[in-house]
Amino acid sequence: SQTIHQWPATLVQPVGSPLSLECTVEGTSNPNLYWYRQAAGRGLQLLFYSVGIGQISSEVPQNLSASRPQDRQFILSSKKLLLSDSGFYLCAWRGLAGGPGNEQFFGPGTRLTVL
Amino acid sequence: TQLLEQSPQFLSIQEGENLTVYCNSSSVFSSLQWYRQEPGEGPVLLVTVVTGGEVKKLKRLTFQFGDARKDSSLHITAAQPGDTGLYLCAGADYKLSFGAGTTVTVRA
Repeated sequence: SQTIHQWPATLVQPVGSPLSLECTVEGTSNPNLYWYRQAAGRGLQLLFYSVGIGQISSEVPQNLSASRPQDRQFILSSKKLLLSDSGFYLCAWRGLAGGPGNEQFFGPGTRLTVL
Repeated sequence: TQLLEQSPQFLSIQEGENLTVYCNSSSVFSSLQWYRQEPGEGPVLLVTVVTGGEVKKLKRLTFQFGDARKDSSLHITAAQPGDTGLYLCAGADYKLSFGAGTTVTVRA
């Protein structure tokens, strides 16, 4: 079965510091991978998605970047964090042989607080 | 930009009552998903609806996709405290577009 991991689970960082959040998927090959940010108790904003190694599409221009160095690894980064980068970051995957819809399966999330 | 609107934003009911949450859009989607999310966790997929007019039942949960594939509803019968959570709908094209969610609280 497929599983998705994110770490760290929580992170408190000062403004201006760098960021690296990691997401890995097990039990599937060549998944589509996604990074979302969620404000408290609200919907999800798609930040980046990737259909393969080294292929990144950005949905929202901002202070963040993403990379996919391996098939099942997706990394979210920033060189200098802003207060507005605080939020709940979710990684998701979708298999190419997925169900009838564009179902995505989510990791446990990383709670980022920038002080 | 496609926009999914969910209503109500908040819903608080007593255990045993019924509830309905709505998801509406001006755009047509190839499919629509419903997710439930608990605090501090990632969303969990509940159902996918694909065909206009489709109705799916998951125990006490009934999902309906509008005939025009622009809107959907989720009905919970005899709600239980375990149904508490943030309910998110998401419309699919090449990506998922999420609504802002409905926070449901079921009081024991």
